[in-house]
Amino acid sequence: EVQLVESGGGLVQPGRSLRLSCAASGFTFDDYAMHWVRQAPGKGLEWVSGISWNSGSIGYADSVKGRFTISRDNAKNSLYLQMNSLRAEDTALYYCAKDKLGFLEWFTFDYWGQGTLVTVSS
Amino acid sequence: DIQMTQSPSTLSASVGDRVTITCRASQSISSWLAWYQQKPGKAPKLLIYKASSLESGVPSRFSGSGSGTEFTLTISSLQPDDFATYYCQRETFGQGTKVEIK
Repeated sequence: EVQLVESGGGLVQPGRSLRLSCAASGFTFDDYAMHWVRQAPGKGLEWVSGISWNSGSIGYADSVKGRFTISRDNAKNSLYLQMNSLRAEDTALYYCAKDKLGFLEWFTFDYWGQGTLVTVSS
Repeated sequence: DIQMTQSPSTLSASVGDRVTITCRASQSISSWLAWYQQKPGKAPKLLIYKASSLESGVPSRFSGSGSGTEFTLTISSLQPDDFATYYCQRETFGQGTKVEIK
């Protein structure tokens, strides 16, 4: 059974940093691209960042480019999101999602975690 | 960046109705489009990928069509479990369509 478990969320002050993690199991992690998607309270879905199977291809939404860094450790079956210079508008539930492909091509997410909540507030 | 626009934003329908949701891309995306269903407090669920391919385990009353810039998601006979919010996606997501009980 595919499982994606996010962790690392919490309350953080504007301008500070936070690192999210996603532990994957139930599939061959290094065969697939992985993504972060967020959802602000009461709002729609926003793709944040994606990384190919071998970290050779990485993409970011314009809203987080230069502030967030995605990475993965295939030996640990883990995905990460380093979030710096956090803003109030980054407040959201952050989902980890598995792609159907290994490359950043389809952007089709067949499995999702339950999310970790990030709140940016003073 | 490619913008995805869904219509309508909200749709009121009854059980048994045929429901169609439209998604338009700001430029051609070939058939690289996915549709998701999300219920309150839950993670999204993949329904359709590559515009018209039904994800495993998804009921056949869901179907997708289109290519280029215009796409549709159709529910042939709305069931009580289908009242939810639906999103289209090609990298970025549409703003969502909430399907409500009429």
